[in-house]
Amino acid sequence: QKEVEQNSGPLSVPEGAIASLNCTYSDRGSQSFFWYRQYSGKSPELIMFIYSNGDKEDGRFTAQLNKASQYVSLLIRDSQPSDSATYLCAGPQEGNEKLTFGTGTRLTIIP
Amino acid sequence: DTGVSQDPRHKITKRGQNVTFRCDPISEHNRLYWYRQTLGQGPEFLTYFQNEAQLEKSRLLSDRFSAERPKGSFSTLEIQRTEQGDSAMYLCASSLTGFLETQYFGPGTRLLVL
Repeated sequence: QKEVEQNSGPLSVPEGAIASLNCTYSDRGSQSFFWYRQYSGKSPELIMFIYSNGDKEDGRFTAQLNKASQYVSLLIRDSQPSDSATYLCAGPQEGNEKLTFGTGTRLTIIP
Repeated sequence: DTGVSQDPRHKITKRGQNVTFRCDPISEHNRLYWYRQTLGQGPEFLTYFQNEAQLEKSRLLSDRFSAERPKGSFSTLEIQRTEQGDSAMYLCASSLTGFLETQYFGPGTRLLVL
């Protein structure tokens, strides 16, 4: 079983709507998660990280972590065409030395 | 701070040839990671360094792959006797040491083995 799983999509959302991206993980010991955005042909760039249960907000982005259910999500409010990208969920393994990534969810914002 | 840089950005080689990639991390970062990413997949961990010490290698990393970080600054990743299955984007990332330290990725080197 893959340690971090994402729905690969594609996910299409109208401009201005809320995009919801989800990720589940198998390691109950995982303490933190990172969301990266990756434009086609480019390298991943960090959007935000979360390490405690509950929500964390940063501008139009909200990350949610539910350790009991072992899922982490990313909400993007007021979606813009520039948000169209692949979103990668990643969790550190064994003390944060390396990241295990999901396969990514491809998001398309429809103008 | 110019970010993580990688060279070359693109490499086309013939099967059986050796290739070497270079990564220059953010200057104060003592951790350096190599990942490989194929189309439709997330990055897969290959190896990482704490300063000049290589602390872990993935089982994915066959003996044709070798990485060095001789002075704890830049790193090189060499692939010997390349195979078509080695075609991928090779990503380098760097970070400080510590809990929740963000890994910053370079632009990647795209390798195509013909």
